[in-house]
Amino acid sequence: QQQVKQSPQSLIVQKGGISIINCAYENTAFDYFPWYQQFPGKGPALLIAIRPDVSEKKEGRFTISFNKSAKQFSLHIMDSQPGDSATYFCAASMEYGNKLVFGAGTILRVKS
Amino acid sequence: DAGVTQSPTHLIKTRGQQVTLRCSPKSGHDTVSWYQQALGQGPQFIFQYYEEEERQRGNFPDRFSGHQFPNYSSELNVNALLLGDSALYLCASSLLGGNGEPQHFGDGTRLSIL
Repeated sequence: QQQVKQSPQSLIVQKGGISIINCAYENTAFDYFPWYQQFPGKGPALLIAIRPDVSEKKEGRFTISFNKSAKQFSLHIMDSQPGDSATYFCAASMEYGNKLVFGAGTILRVKS
Repeated sequence: DAGVTQSPTHLIKTRGQQVTLRCSPKSGHDTVSWYQQALGQGPQFIFQYYEEEERQRGNFPDRFSGHQFPNYSSELNVNALLLGDSALYLCASSLLGGNGEPQHFGDGTRLSIL
């Protein structure tokens, strides 16, 4: 019940295309869902986050879509750029500031 | 404004030894969490410290212990090191009080066990 399942494991997208990464969770007590971006040799950096009271949140080229009934959420990266090539992790927690449960990660490569 | 800083950057130890990793939280943060990230995997929660007490703990053995100091900095101690402890150890800080703030991560300590 503490797991967050992330797919796909890896993704190759052409420059300018849309990258889509999906996550699913079981524990309905989760109420905070962040996405993190990690470059090699660096720690995860918070990209965007959502709470279950909204179905979508957009920040620049990054959008989170949230489906509470399906217990799924996804990250969309519009107009993907080579600089977006990194590993992306979805995560979930119960109450803000509590421990984060991470997905296994998606390695994104944007081809120029 | 300095973010989360961790030291050392890299560390090599042998089986059976013990190790201490250090973390300074982002300015204004009062909570420190530690995560273990094995190669090719997502971070796994070890424990969280708030007001110098362990607030939450993940599924890690007692060989993993920690401490938080009055200035909010924190240490992670691992005893009787095993080969499987080789990983990137991440510290994250956040603010629990008030409106709160999300967890911000440092760049980690890469621990290699020989």
